Amino acid sequence: KAGVTQTPRYLIKTRGQQVTLSCSPISGHRSVSWYQQTPGQGLQFLFEYFSETQRNKGNFPGRFSGRQFSNSRSEMNVSTLELGDSALYLCASSLGRGSSSYNSPLHFGNGTRLTVT
Amino acid sequence: EDQVTQSPEALRLQEGESSSLNCSYTVSGLRGLFWYRQDPGKGPEFLFTLYSAGEEKEKERLKATLTKKESFLHITAPKPEDSATYLCAVQEAGGTSYGKLTFGQGTILTVHP
Repeated sequence: KAGVTQTPRYLIKTRGQQVTLSCSPISGHRSVSWYQQTPGQGLQFLFEYFSETQRNKGNFPGRFSGRQFSNSRSEMNVSTLELGDSALYLCASSLGRGSSSYNSPLHFGNGTRLTVT
Repeated sequence: EDQVTQSPEALRLQEGESSSLNCSYTVSGLRGLFWYRQDPGKGPEFLFTLYSAGEEKEKERLKATLTKKESFLHITAPKPEDSATYLCAVQEAGGTSYGKLTFGQGTILTVHP
């Protein structure tokens, strides 16, 4: 079974530009979540999409947005890039449901390394 | 606000020297506690989910345990290939969102041959 695929692996952008990152989840997974990882802040939750709807959002400015398509593939967009946006952006997929005794764990891709100059 | 604190920040072991990593957490209601392993240049790899105090799970040389305030990841007779950053994360109970985890800063484990 193929894992979570993120493209591109590396990106270099200039301040003020915008960028779009792509994520293909594991087959059958309907939930896609995005995280930002930096040395100083660690892994921070950006947002979650389930069946094309945003289900939860973290504490990031409106420059960060996302969407999910009917095939569960997801994209995130960052507009007006700032130097502080340089980070590893990770996508994770899961079944997106659970019970009192079971959580569908998140499975992560290898990320997109974004460098803003 | 959920909080997760991992200790130590870094741990250096000799091959075969067993030890434990700690994860202390504060959450209003725990839906699940997760352990991940992350190798350089890669995304986190899922290891375990723990749901309630007293629960234990094992996989090869790793054993995870959970109390009401903390979790431990015990590494028995580690090998150099166990070297990685180990991340702990909690998911808060309630709501329909299953994608939000609050992560600790991680423990960097280095095992020397």
